[in-house]
Amino acid sequence: EVQLVESGGGLVQPGGSLRLSCAASGFSFSSYWMTWVRQAPGMGLQWVANIDLDGSERYYVDSVKGRFTISRDNAKNSLFLQMNSLRVEDTAVYYCARGVTGDHYWGQGSLVTVSS
Amino acid sequence: SYVLTQPPSVSVAPGKTATITCGGNDIGSLSVHWYQQKPGQAPVLVVYDDSDRSPGIPERFSGSNSGNTATLTISRVEAGDEADYYCQVWHRSSDHVVFGGGSKLTVL
Repeated sequence: EVQLVESGGGLVQPGGSLRLSCAASGFSFSSYWMTWVRQAPGMGLQWVANIDLDGSERYYVDSVKGRFTISRDNAKNSLFLQMNSLRVEDTAVYYCARGVTGDHYWGQGSLVTVSS
Repeated sequence: SYVLTQPPSVSVAPGKTATITCGGNDIGSLSVHWYQQKPGQAPVLVVYDDSDRSPGIPERFSGSNSGNTATLTISRVEAGDEADYYCQVWHRSSDHVVFGGGSKLTVL
């Protein structure tokens, strides 16, 4: 059974940092691009970043470029999102998803709250 | 940047047909995917690659894509279909994934 489980969310002050993790199981993790998507409270879905099979290609939405870094550890079947210089507007549920688009498997999400 | 436009809300009576559109420049040349999201839950893929239905999704759900508009059609709408629906594409020329703003389907 395919599973994606996010962790690492929580409350952080503006300007702070947080690292999200996504533990993958039930499929060949190293064979799939992976993606982070977020959803601010009461708002729609927003793509954040994705990464190719070995981490050599990474793409970001403009609003997080230079602040967030997506990475992966294929040996540990894990995806990460390092979030620095966090802003109030980064408050959201962050989902990891398999693939780039049109994939069936998403995690249940991890809530990140940026507030003083 | 590439923009996908959805109607914020769609209302339909039970048993009728709901049509949710997703507009984008030459969207017909892209593969469009549709997600259903109910309150407090992660999104669920209902249609992928324009018109393929995900496993376990009723045949009442169908998709099409041509020109500047992609469409998700839900036939014989049921109360359980009430949810937010999002279209999604991978805009390869910018290497960006784009979501539509979402459409809230209300079953009257």
